[in-house]
Amino acid sequence: EAGVAQSPRYKIIEKRQSVAFWCNPISGHATLYWYQQILGQGPKLLIQFQNNGVVDDSQLPKDRFSAERLKGVDSTLKIQPAKLEDSAVYLCASSWQPREQYFGPGTRLTVT
Amino acid sequence: QQQVKQSPQSLIVQKGGISIINCAYENTAFDYFPWYQQFPGKGPALLIAIRPDVSEKKEGRFTISFNKSAKQFSLHIMDSQPGDSATYFCAASMETGGGNKLTFGTGTQLKVEL
Repeated sequence: EAGVAQSPRYKIIEKRQSVAFWCNPISGHATLYWYQQILGQGPKLLIQFQNNGVVDDSQLPKDRFSAERLKGVDSTLKIQPAKLEDSAVYLCASSWQPREQYFGPGTRLTVT
Repeated sequence: QQQVKQSPQSLIVQKGGISIINCAYENTAFDYFPWYQQFPGKGPALLIAIRPDVSEKKEGRFTISFNKSAKQFSLHIMDSQPGDSATYFCAASMETGGGNKLTFGTGTQLKVEL
């Protein structure tokens, strides 16, 4: 079974630029999550989708972050404009059972 | 109320020894407690999990001990091996409308020395 795929793996941008991350969940997984993991910290949930509907986006900085999940499969997370404090690893996870989340390898973002 | 506190921040154990990582939570609405293992450059991977109606769960060399009254839980790694060197995160989960929400601890960097 293929795992959660994410791209790109690494991205370096300057502050105020825009960036987008892509996630392809495990086939059949209805729930998709985006997490932000700052160096030395645990992952923090940004947004959760159930199929293509948003379940929880309470911790998503909506003034600069947006996410969508078209057709209930792939998802993109966008940051516009980026700030220095957005430097982190962005993790995508998916699940079909409510409690078991499978994580992708993440995208490491560096904002200079 | 949503925090999960984890200690120690880092841990060095000799090969064959026991690694112990502790976590504590505040919110009694949490009802599922997984542990994740993360290697550099990889995403976290589910290692073992426990529900609060059980005081202990063992899978191979990994054991979770759970103390509901103290709101604490811990991971024990028996016969620790160099391949266990990774960052370990405890987490706590609760049901939310349409899904479940994971709150992670801050992580413990484990190094197992030969």
